[in-house]
Amino acid sequence: NAGVMQNPRHLVRRRGQEARLRCSPMKGHSHVYWYRQLPEEGLKFMVYLQKENIIDESGMPKERFSAEFPKEGPSILRIQQVVRGDSAAYFCASSPGGDNSPLHFGNGTRLTVT
Amino acid sequence: AQSVAQPEDQVNVAEGNPLTVKCTYSVSGNPYLFWYVQYPNRGLQFLLKYITGDNLVKGSYGFEAEFNKSQTSFHLKKPSALVSDSALYFCAVSHRGGSSNTGKLIFGQGTTLQVKP
Repeated sequence: NAGVMQNPRHLVRRRGQEARLRCSPMKGHSHVYWYRQLPEEGLKFMVYLQKENIIDESGMPKERFSAEFPKEGPSILRIQQVVRGDSAAYFCASSPGGDNSPLHFGNGTRLTVT
Repeated sequence: AQSVAQPEDQVNVAEGNPLTVKCTYSVSGNPYLFWYVQYPNRGLQFLLKYITGDNLVKGSYGFEAEFNKSQTSFHLKKPSALVSDSALYFCAVSHRGGSSNTGKLIFGQGTTLQVKP
């Protein structure tokens, strides 16, 4: 049973470009979460999605960031017009749902903005 | 403000000795409590969780954690450390269910555990 798959593992973008990060949850998991880890910091919650629905986006920056989890295909975290401060590791996690199910994390996408 | 504190940036122990990684939290209500471990260039791996019941929780790889409600602490422990335990450890809390998003974890800053042979 494959774990949470994220791609690409590393992504380099110039300032002003767009970054698209993909996440395929574990088989049977319908709940997807995105977290961001800045250097020397813990993870910060960004957004929680279920299929075709954004449930909680309280951690998303107000501009340039968006997320989706379509009926078919992976979840996408999209960052438009990237800036140097967007450089971070972005982790996706999934769970089967339920009140206290632990999250299963992917290996992350490390975004570097030059 | 709700927060999780891991007061030690790094913990150093000798192989075979017991280890403790500290965590305290400030969250309203009775949260769920978790420990995760992160190896270099990898995602987080779940170690253990406290939901309710016995204050001593046993998890993966011989780790355990003790929930102390009065001290709002959830320290991670292991009786005998291994070199392979060297990694970055994160404590996290989430709100209980109902309308809460229980996957919205509040993480501590992380503690690097270094186990020397």
